[in-house]
Amino acid sequence: QVQLQESGPGLVKASETLSLTCTVSGDSISSYYWSWIRQPPGGGLEWIGYVHRSGTTNYSPSLKSRVTISLDRSKNQLFLKLTSVAAADTAVYYCARGLYGTNWYSSEYWGQGTLVAVSS
Amino acid sequence: QSVLTQPPSVSAAPGQKVTISCSRSGTNFGSNYVSWYQQLPGTAPKLLIYENDKRPSGIPDRFSGSESGTSATLGITGLQTGDEADYYCGSWDDSLSAYVFGPGTKVTVL
Repeated sequence: QVQLQESGPGLVKASETLSLTCTVSGDSISSYYWSWIRQPPGGGLEWIGYVHRSGTTNYSPSLKSRVTISLDRSKNQLFLKLTSVAAADTAVYYCARGLYGTNWYSSEYWGQGTLVAVSS
Repeated sequence: QSVLTQPPSVSAAPGQKVTISCSRSGTNFGSNYVSWYQQLPGTAPKLLIYENDKRPSGIPDRFSGSESGTSATLGITGLQTGDEADYYCGSWDDSLSAYVFGPGTKVTVL
């Protein structure tokens, strides 16, 4: 059974860097595409970007200058770094897995999400 | 404001059918597939439909998807109280070079 679990600080100060880890079990991170998606409180979903098993990444243009997504195959983990955070970055952050090998645009497995609040 | 438009809410009685539209402004979806997600309160989204009209394993056939031109539709038949949730469409947008989600539609079972 594929499981994803996000972890990281629940509170980040404005202008600092948000760092999250997604630990994958029941599957190899060396397969599929892996995405980060966020949802502000009471709001809708926002795509942040994805990383392919090859290391190839694609980011939302609105966040591209501040975001880095990476993998650690030895630990079966993926990571999200978002720099210079502001209040608008307060959200529940989800990691997710693409449906099949070449599919990054449909996320079949999701983590439970982790709420990150940005304080001033 | 999202490039994808969904009605804020739809409702129907148990056993009835609802449809949720997802519309793009001006341009066809073309080769950019539409996915649909269900988000129950306090939980992560769940993939219901991928590539416009396909269901992942385990999704009942009460859920269906279609796409035509600038609009995609999610249908739910035999509505159940457990279907009360927010539903989101999503697709790649060539002009933005980004994956976008619709604003979501709240389904209420009367």
